[in-house]
Amino acid sequence: DAKTTQPNSMESNEEEPVHLPCNHSTISGTDYIHWYRQLPSQGPEYVIHGLTSNVNNRMASLAIAEDRKSSTLILHRATLRDAAVYYCILVLLFGNEKLTFGTGTRLTIIP
Amino acid sequence: DGGITQSPKYLFRKEGQNVTLSCEQNLNHDAMYWYRQDPGQGLRLIYYSQIVNDFQKGDIAEGYSVSREKKESFPLTVTSAQKNPTAFYLCASSIWPSGGGNEQFFGPGTRLTVL
Repeated sequence: DAKTTQPNSMESNEEEPVHLPCNHSTISGTDYIHWYRQLPSQGPEYVIHGLTSNVNNRMASLAIAEDRKSSTLILHRATLRDAAVYYCILVLLFGNEKLTFGTGTRLTIIP
Repeated sequence: DGGITQSPKYLFRKEGQNVTLSCEQNLNHDAMYWYRQDPGQGLRLIYYSQIVNDFQKGDIAEGYSVSREKKESFPLTVTSAQKNPTAFYLCASSIWPSGGGNEQFFGPGTRLTVL
């Protein structure tokens, strides 16, 4: 399985943008890039996914490098409710019977 | 509202006892999954099922068993053979065939503590 690398932790001030990086240098042409987040003592929550083009939804934006070897999750205006562990995951185009979660990035929001 | 429910939220059992964790979904999803999460770690797949009456082992299936008699339900039994069962257990579901463009929906989890 292609792996992802994320920083263990990051901090950001409330109401400022947050850029969460993810490296996936061994990504294949059929891997989607998914982001999930997990609040304390809760199940993970889907955030966003993309294949090649940048993506926007109500929660966040996903910026994908042209060579697809890295991506960045962008929270445009962080709130205290965004404090969570963020996971960057590669998911095969055909069949996603397994999501391989690493340890993710623990995001702390400073009031 | 559609979603996934897991019960109970907290579960305590004595060592050597089997225990069954409940997972129900009303999203009409074909695929369901069980994951285990240990403190400070990511999720690891225990079992998954793509269709009723069929399921496959994940990465850490030893000491666990599942059944899929109904589309909506995918209970997990933690048996006495599981050497270290204390963990946070998460159930998820998704459309099948899923492909990389579909997300998994997770339940709130069950925290199992074996005394």
